[in-house]
Amino acid sequence: SQTIHQWPATLVQPVGSPLSLECTVEGTSNPNLYWYRQAAGRGLQLLFYSVGIGQISSEVPQNLSASRPQDRQFILSSKKLLLSDSGFYLCAWGRGRETQYFGPGTRLLVL
Amino acid sequence: AQTVTQSQPEMSVQEAETVTLSCTYDTSESDYYLFWYKQPPSRQMILVIRQEAYKQQNATENRFSVNFQKAAKSFSLKISDSQLGDAAMYFCAYRSRGGSEKLVFGKGMKLTVNP
Repeated sequence: SQTIHQWPATLVQPVGSPLSLECTVEGTSNPNLYWYRQAAGRGLQLLFYSVGIGQISSEVPQNLSASRPQDRQFILSSKKLLLSDSGFYLCAWGRGRETQYFGPGTRLLVL
Repeated sequence: AQTVTQSQPEMSVQEAETVTLSCTYDTSESDYYLFWYKQPPSRQMILVIRQEAYKQQNATENRFSVNFQKAAKSFSLKISDSQLGDAAMYFCAYRSRGGSEKLVFGKGMKLTVNP
């Protein structure tokens, strides 16, 4: 069966510091991968998605970037965090255009 | 652009009773997927049920079933025999079958289950 991991689970970072969130998927190959952000009390917003190694599409211009160095690894990064980057970040994987399955998420608080 | 609307921010139900969560959406596409996700206090998004727009039959998963009305663009979730573990945020989501990769989410609805 497929599993999806995210780390860290919680992160508190000062404004202006760098960020790296990691997501890995097990039990499948060549998945589509997604990064979503959920602000407090709101639904999810797609940030980036990837259909293959090195292929990244951005949905929302912002302070963040994403990379996919390996087939089942998806990384969300920032060079300098802003207060507005605080939120809950969820990684998801899917096959083709069907269901997306989500990881446990990372709580990011920027102070 | 597609939009998903969940008009009821909160609902409550007594344990063992039935509750229906409403969702409407707007799209000009004819082929798409609709989902209900559950987000418990742990905040992990868990798939509850999926409906394919070209299928007329309503999806069912154990105690969860949907009422899909394509013409009305309505997609409600019925939870039968509610359990304490059903308490969570519930999100309705839309995904194009041939267009954008993203899931379009509603703002969610908080379900409380009273013992």
